[in-house]
Amino acid sequence: NAGVTQTPKFRVLKTGQSMTLLCAQDMNHEYMYWYRQDPGMGLRLIHYSVGEGTTAKGEVPDGYNVSRLKKQNFLLGLESAAPSQTSVYFCASSYGTLPEKETQYFGPGTRLLVL
Amino acid sequence: KNEVEQSPQNLTAQEGEFITINCSYSVGISALHWLQQHPGGGIVSLFMLSSGKKKHGRLIATINIQEKHSSLHITASHPRDSAVYICAANLYSGGGADGLTFGKGTHLIIQP
Repeated sequence: NAGVTQTPKFRVLKTGQSMTLLCAQDMNHEYMYWYRQDPGMGLRLIHYSVGEGTTAKGEVPDGYNVSRLKKQNFLLGLESAAPSQTSVYFCASSYGTLPEKETQYFGPGTRLLVL
Repeated sequence: KNEVEQSPQNLTAQEGEFITINCSYSVGISALHWLQQHPGGGIVSLFMLSSGKKKHGRLIATINIQEKHSSLHITASHPRDSAVYICAANLYSGGGADGLTFGKGTHLIIQP
């Protein structure tokens, strides 16, 4: 099993460009999450999904959209990238049987630089 | 004010020393997590606690629900333990299912 994978690993964008980050998991997890990690801020939740076809906003959702068309994939989109979105993005997933008390499995991260 | 606070922010110790990292939280939680992030960036879950104490190898995690406090201990520390250790919690105020709230991390360096 590959666990949680993220594509791409690194990307440079110009302000105003768009892109999609892909998260895939092969553990049949129901719950998936997108976090961003910034120096001095810790990790913060952007959006999450409690199952195929569902999405919900987290702590810092502005400027991002998400989709969960297939259970194994969770996509994070930036429609018009801004320098403030320069960050490391982590995807995570969990079984969802008892989400308030479950281990989350993290992907390797995507480093995004917006110029 | 961050709902999950960690201390210290940075810790440098000699190989073999006993290490303690502290985490406190200000609201009710359903679970407390300790995560490890190595210099390469990957994040690995070490423990998930809702009460008591857990041990895995040289790592021990404890939680005191009444005092809203958790500690991560490393016995006989080794340079390979050098990493960022992150405390995170499922907050009751967030409904539990909507992700973790994270501390800012403790950057640990173990010198040979």
